[in-house]
Amino acid sequence: NAGVTQTPKFQVLKTGQSMTLQCAQDMNHNSMYWYRQDPGMGLRLIYYSASEGTTDKGEVPNGYNVSRLNKREFSLRLESAAPSQTSVYFCASSESRYTEAFFGQGTRLTVV
Amino acid sequence: AQSVAQPEDQVNVAEGNPLTVKCTYSVSGNPYLFWYVQYPNRGLQFLLKYITGDNLVKGSYGFEAEFNKSQTSFHLKKPSALVSDSALYFCAVRDINVGDGQNFVFGPGTRLSVLP
Repeated sequence: NAGVTQTPKFQVLKTGQSMTLQCAQDMNHNSMYWYRQDPGMGLRLIYYSASEGTTDKGEVPNGYNVSRLNKREFSLRLESAAPSQTSVYFCASSESRYTEAFFGQGTRLTVV
Repeated sequence: AQSVAQPEDQVNVAEGNPLTVKCTYSVSGNPYLFWYVQYPNRGLQFLLKYITGDNLVKGSYGFEAEFNKSQTSFHLKKPSALVSDSALYFCAVRDINVGDGQNFVFGPGTRLSVLP
């Protein structure tokens, strides 16, 4: 049982480049989330999806887009990367809005 | 809006001693409370949760947490600390009166160092 799988684990981008972070869960969870973790800032919600076919903005959505491809997969896209997007990105999933979330291993992104 | 505070950035404890990592919360309704641990270069791992029932909740790796409604606290405890417990600990709360995503709020984290 893999849980939540994120790819890639590491990435270096040049300013202005685009990329997509992939996330898949095998727990049949309804809710999926994207967070970024920065030193001193804790975890901040970027986007979430409460169910297949729906997505909503979180606390820091600017510069990002998401796609809930199906129940398993929730991708995060950076259309034009900026140095301020250098961070560690975590995908998470939960059965519902009442339950604990399970996290992926993270993607460490550096934008130069 | 709901919020979570972890008043200590860093907690140091000697191996074998009891440890406590503090958490206080604020929600409009009944809270669902969680503790997570993060080891270096890893994702957050779920430790335990309080939904309802007994105020003392037992979780993974010998950790437990005590829910105190009057003090709006949910402190994480372990009777005897191990060096391998050294990590970053996050408290989180869900406010069931708020929609998904926005209702899941994390504290800033507390770094626990267990000294041999």
